[in-house]
Amino acid sequence: NAGVTQTPKFQVLKTGQSMTLQCAQDMNHEYMSWYRQDPGMGLRLIHYSVGAGITDQGEVPNGYNVSRSTTEDFPLRLLSAAPSQTSVYFCASSYDTRLEPQHFGDGTRLSIL
Amino acid sequence: ILNVEQSPQSLHVQEGDSTNFTCSFPSSNFYALHWYRWETAKSPEALFVMTLNGDEKKKGRISATLNTKEGYSYLYIKGSQPEDSATYLCASSQAGTALIFGKGTTLSVSS
Repeated sequence: NAGVTQTPKFQVLKTGQSMTLQCAQDMNHEYMSWYRQDPGMGLRLIHYSVGAGITDQGEVPNGYNVSRSTTEDFPLRLLSAAPSQTSVYFCASSYDTRLEPQHFGDGTRLSIL
Repeated sequence: ILNVEQSPQSLHVQEGDSTNFTCSFPSSNFYALHWYRWETAKSPEALFVMTLNGDEKKKGRISATLNTKEGYSYLYIKGSQPEDSATYLCASSQAGTALIFGKGTTLSVSS
């Protein structure tokens, strides 16, 4: 049972480049979310999904796109990378935010030059 | 988007001290309150998920209480140990909405 798998673990981009951060879970969880971690800011929600075909914006959605075509996968796309998007990105999943805790991936450390 | 507040921002205690942190959240349409422990260079790990007013949960030396009517939760650590050093995050959600995290309380325990 792999849990929540994030790829890549590290990435360096140039300003203006685009890329996709992958997140996959094998626990049949309906709820998936993307957070970014910045010093002193805790975890800020970027986008989330309550099931396949359903996505919604979080606290800091600008510059990011998501889709949820399957229950298992929830990729995060950076459309045109900016230095302000340098951060550590965490993907998380659970059956429901009321019933059980979030299961987090190991994170993707992204640097934008 | 919910506003989840945690205090203090950071805390330094001596080994053996007991300590507590506060998490404040909107009490209207309350759905759930989560506590996580987050060590440097690791992923957050769940401590508790609480949903009922008056709920109390315990895991070893760590316990938490919940007051949904006034919108706060306390996390207690009894007899702090150096391995308790971490950032403690709380998160709250309203029905049908996302889980929003506070900025965390960073605990440092000296031996």
